[in-house]
Amino acid sequence: GAGVSQSPSNKVTEKGKDVELRCDPISGHTALYWYRQSLGQGLEFLIYFQGNSAPDKSGLPSDRFSAERTGGSVSTLTIQRTQQEDSAVYLCASSLGTVSEAFFGQGTRLTVV
Amino acid sequence: AQSVTQPDIHITVSEGASLELRCNYSYGATPYLFWYVQSPGQGLQLLLKYFSGDTLVQGIKGFEAEFKRSQSSFNLRKPSVHWSDAAEYFCAVGLYSSASKIIFGSGTRLSIRP
Repeated sequence: GAGVSQSPSNKVTEKGKDVELRCDPISGHTALYWYRQSLGQGLEFLIYFQGNSAPDKSGLPSDRFSAERTGGSVSTLTIQRTQQEDSAVYLCASSLGTVSEAFFGQGTRLTVV
Repeated sequence: AQSVTQPDIHITVSEGASLELRCNYSYGATPYLFWYVQSPGQGLQLLLKYFSGDTLVQGIKGFEAEFKRSQSSFNLRKPSVHWSDAAEYFCAVGLYSSASKIIFGSGTRLSIRP
């Protein structure tokens, strides 16, 4: 596609529910990132996929968070049993590979009520 | 572990004044470096990048940055700011390795005084 696409753009969920956030990277990009940006904060690294390598999950804040990338393309970030502190904008980015700039989607704003 | 520090949380400069935003990184390996800008309600846009070669790099919107290995710094500069430059600025760092990820600093919010 022309750019990184994320859906939904906004999500309001009740505390304790599970949510899935989707990311469609730029076609041909082998690397995919998920970041979290809380209100007024910087970008917190969550997880990184590069080609067929095992993902770098070192940024996932708890075992309620998981992500997968199917067929080296679309990625889904899943948050189980959501908590209010999970409220943030979740940003996805893709790049051609290592040593390449990341292109960002517009993000999914998650609100846990 | 990778880390990026932007020591200034919020900076205010007058329109037309010069600007320098600081960025320091902590690595033992050769980094590649970025500056991104996030305008209110907008997505992240790449301003400039450094991979190798000339340590002074030019970017969009009149910005430039200089990589100083001895100081582990990659400061962003602009000789004369415009009101439209008000935004959040993020420095980011990656490593030359097969498993490298890009890590972002906490950001510097830039306000412009009329």
